[in-house]
Amino acid sequence: EIVLTQSPDFQSVTPKEKVIITCRASQSVGYKLHWYQQKSGQSPKVLIKYASQFISGVPSRFGGSGSGTDFTLTIDSLEVEDAATYFCHQSSNLPWTFGQGTKVEIK
Amino acid sequence: EVSLVESGGGLVQPGGSLRLSCAASGVTFSSYWMSWVRQAPGKGLEWVANIKEDGSEKNYADSVKGRFTISRDNAKKSLYLQMSSLRADDTAVYYCARESWGSVLEYWGQGTLVSVSS
Repeated sequence: EIVLTQSPDFQSVTPKEKVIITCRASQSVGYKLHWYQQKSGQSPKVLIKYASQFISGVPSRFGGSGSGTDFTLTIDSLEVEDAATYFCHQSSNLPWTFGQGTKVEIK
Repeated sequence: EVSLVESGGGLVQPGGSLRLSCAASGVTFSSYWMSWVRQAPGKGLEWVANIKEDGSEKNYADSVKGRFTISRDNAKKSLYLQMSSLRADDTAVYYCARESWGSVLEYWGQGTLVSVSS
């Protein structure tokens, strides 16, 4: 099973700051790494697919990069509505696995 | 607009069984793989199982293999998860999700809570 490790676990950020979340895979997943946002009490929502591809309707301040084992989710100019937990997910090898999540809090 | 609505959750005793359903609308259900993903209270996401468009292929997480069975009825646009020999660590919100673009979990339901306790 591929283990995904996110860093940090928690981040407290001021609005308009830049947020960087990393996801490291225990073995290569190629580009099959996706990012989700889960707000409190809601189901997850996909933000970025295949490491860096944009999803229609997702604000352009969300971006992704990386390949192989190291990936990054970037939120340029954080907004209050971005308070959430962010998860990475690999679909390279079954079983699909998720990172443990990074909670982003607004200061 | 795509809508996935789960039902069937509830309180069940250890060793018991439960069947979850997921009703899809606004989507060509039969053209997509479907997954179940769960989230224990205050915890992260765990993929449980998925099923091919025509039901001919199914995959399971080791933690549920032999106890859970995923199935679908394309005519009814419905996905199911039959859960048996339930344990306390199966307690979670269970989400159904549509896979797109090669296993990206594009759409999610609102989830249904399963609590396993005596």
